[in-house]
Amino acid sequence: DVKVTQSSRYLVKRTGEKVFLECVQDMDHENMFWYRQDPGLGLRLIYFSYDVKMKEKGDIPEGYSVSREKKERFSLILESASTNQTSMYLCASSSGTGGEKLFFGSGTQLSVL
Amino acid sequence: GIQVEQSPPDLILQEGANSTLRCNFSDSVNNLQWFHQNPWGQLINLFYIPSGTKQNGRLSATTVATERYSLLYISSSQTTDSGVYFCAVEGPTDYKLSFGAGTTVTVRA
Repeated sequence: DVKVTQSSRYLVKRTGEKVFLECVQDMDHENMFWYRQDPGLGLRLIYFSYDVKMKEKGDIPEGYSVSREKKERFSLILESASTNQTSMYLCASSSGTGGEKLFFGSGTQLSVL
Repeated sequence: GIQVEQSPPDLILQEGANSTLRCNFSDSVNNLQWFHQNPWGQLINLFYIPSGTKQNGRLSATTVATERYSLLYISSSQTTDSGVYFCAVEGPTDYKLSFGAGTTVTVRA
């Protein structure tokens, strides 16, 4: 079965801290994505990657960066966490062959105090 | 970018009832998917359906690409169908899925 694993289910950080959210997929997928989900706003794309060491900005990249050093791992970095980054963060992957299904991890609920 | 509208925003059903969820989109699409987010937050892919009709158990979906809408049918609803249903589309010049705001379904026993 397809598996996308996010390292933490819940995370509490302080304002100004550097935060790393990790995501690993075991399906040899080319594409990986980071979304955030907020009540009333649905899912919004932060960054995505179509290959190792490659990244593209999504709709709301400000305040975030990403890293993809290995095909199976895609990290989201909050350089200096702020309270408005309190959210549910969802990682996803797809195969990259075109018209492929998107598979999600179980999410990380981040609270920035 | 492509706009996605889902209706209704909320739906309350009695167990055993049937329902239809709608997704309208503003441009042609080469990828359309339906997802279910359970009460614990896990998003599950239900259908990949840029056109045509598919069925999976009590769920089925139809996309009429020329008229820019998709429908998700839930038959004989069960309490486990509760959650949020999202439609997501990818336009011909996009490289990502854009999500609608979702329909929150509550099935009462």
